[in-house]
Amino acid sequence: RKEVEQDPGPFNVPEGATVAFNCTYSNSASQSFFWYRQDCRKEPKLLMSVYSSGNEDGRFTAQLNRASQYISLLIRDSKLSDSATYLCVVQYQGGKLIFGQGTELSVKP
Amino acid sequence: EPEVTQTPSHQVTQMGQEVILRCVPISNHLYFYWYRQILGQKVEFLVSFYNNEISEKSEIFDDQFSVERPDGSNFTLKIRSTKLEDSAMYFCASSEQAFTYEQYFGPGTRLTVT
Repeated sequence: RKEVEQDPGPFNVPEGATVAFNCTYSNSASQSFFWYRQDCRKEPKLLMSVYSSGNEDGRFTAQLNRASQYISLLIRDSKLSDSATYLCVVQYQGGKLIFGQGTELSVKP
Repeated sequence: EPEVTQTPSHQVTQMGQEVILRCVPISNHLYFYWYRQILGQKVEFLVSFYNNEISEKSEIFDDQFSVERPDGSNFTLKIRSTKLEDSAMYFCASSEQAFTYEQYFGPGTRLTVT
């Protein structure tokens, strides 16, 4: 079983749509959780951290369920500029980040 | 805004040659990392470095790889004898602390081994 598993997509959605990404992780020793964004052939950039209580940053909402080892990201009112690959990331003690394969999002006019 | 820088942006080398990839982490950061991403695949952890020594390394980081912080600013990744399968994008990252703190990634070095 992969350590971090995501649906690779692609998700093709119209502008203004709401889209949800899911992710599961296998190692319960995972300590911190993040969503990163990666544009084509560029470096990953932190989108947001993910907490059990759920957290929101503008149009983005992230949720963690430790019991199910499940992480989600919801994007509301999609913009063209949201087109990218979204990476589910878990962190272990000591700082190592483990990345999922990424979910590709394409927002069309 | 401070940023991580990496040089060169693209390195082409022949199989068996040594390469050194260079990174300048953000100045007040204490933890340094190397990751790689083979084209079309996920980002993979290689090594973490703190207090002038390796904290953790992955199975990928075998005896052909080494890291060094030769001065107060640079952080390097050396591959002694490159193989075709070392072709990838190599990202350097740094963070203030190891845990829960954001890791800032450099723009990457694309390594092509021919």
